[in-house]
Formats: sequence, structure tokens, C-alpha cells
Amino acid sequence: SYELTQPPSVSLSPGQTARITCSGDTLPSQFTYWYQQKAGQAPILIIYKDTKRPSGIPERFSGSSSGTTATLTISGVQAEDEADYYCQSADTRGNNPWVFGGGTKLTVL
Amino acid sequence: EVQLVQSGAEAKKAGESLRISCRGVGYKFSNYWIAWVRQKPGKGLEWMGIMYPGASDIRYNPSLQGQVTMSVDNSNSVAHLQWSSLKASDSAVYYCARQSDFYSGMNDWGQGTQVTVSS
Repeated sequence: SYELTQPPSVSLSPGQTARITCSGDTLPSQFTYWYQQKAGQAPILIIYKDTKRPSGIPERFSGSSSGTTATLTISGVQAEDEADYYCQSADTRGNNPWVFGGGTKLTVL
Repeated sequence: EVQLVQSGAEAKKAGESLRISCRGVGYKFSNYWIAWVRQKPGKGLEWMGIMYPGASDIRYNPSLQGQVTMSVDNSNSVAHLQWSSLKASDSAVYYCARQSDFYSGMNDWGQGTQVTVSS
């Protein structure tokens, strides 16, 4: 089955820049979406169609995509950004329309 | 204000049936896709399937097909997820989420329904 690969964890200090990657073979032709999930809460959409930010999402969150890798960048990480981050994309090679990455735990030291 | 309001937590035994619900509030229910996402304890998100209430279009994650059934009640703006025979491995939090078209992101999420199945 198709998979999106994310690093399990990223740790950094407040003010640093976090880059979370998502790798998948179909990403060159499919959009990537990013979700933030804080402990005990439902996920929220923070980036859609590779680079777009929904209203209400802080500007420090940005997305990019190149080749088989999409990247979520958080510029100037804050303590409140500590959460799990998931990428999502379409699985055009199989019968499963959508797939999530395994998730990345962002720890702010 | 758009809201997805999910039914409350359930505690069941293996082999029992269950139906949980997701009610759309504050928008025209039939015009938006509703997806279901599962999260097992300590694990990541798993896409289960999606339905378009306005056309009764339902698509499942092939790995789950036959294990769950999605349905919709347009007259009450409610989507359902049901099991005919639960397993302990169905224990998870189940989220519904709304998307404006098939290839858009999940903009709005329900609060989640905790399902606990004991053997």
C-alpha cells in the first residue's frame, strides 16, 4: 500500500525554525495537506494544496513541495506549537483515495 | 458557525453492534463531503472513507471495506458510521471531518467519539 513518510520526531528550542518533511512517490503530481494535532484535541488543517494557509493560521506556518518531498516550515517555533503534525495526500496509484503520513511529534525544548 | 457535533463515548463488548453519528450544523449539509478518520490509542491518523451526502457517493479505504458501513441521513444532517460486530481492535477515537470538495483538505473536524471495545 502507498505510504507517506515523515520523521517520527523533531526537537528544537523556541525561536528556531522547524522543518518537517513528508515523502511520497505521488507528491510531484498531488497536493499535500498538513494538520496539527495537540494532545487530546482534534486535528486542525494548517496548510492546504501544498502552500496555502487557512484563515486564522499564523504566518509562521508555511508549506512547500519539490519533487517527492513536501515540507512544513514553522518559523520561530513557540511553545504552543508543540504538537503532532500529519501530512496527507491522494493515493492515485491504488484504490485508497487518501493517505496520511505517520506523523511527526514536534517537541519545543 | 460551522460545527460537526459527534455522539458521545461508547463502551461495548466484542461482537456487539454500534452506530456513531456526526451532525452538521451551520451549513448546507448535502453540499459538503464528510470524511471519517480513525486514531487508535497512541497511534497516528488513519483515513477510513468519505461520503458526499448530496449524491450518496461513498468511498472506503479498501483495508476497511466490509468492516464498517457509512451512511447519511440528509433530512437530519447526520452522517453515521456503524459496525455490525465489533472487535477489540476497533477501539479508537473516531473523527468526522468536512471538506468542500473531494480534493480539498479537511477544514472542519468533529470533537471525536471514543469507542472502547472489551473482549
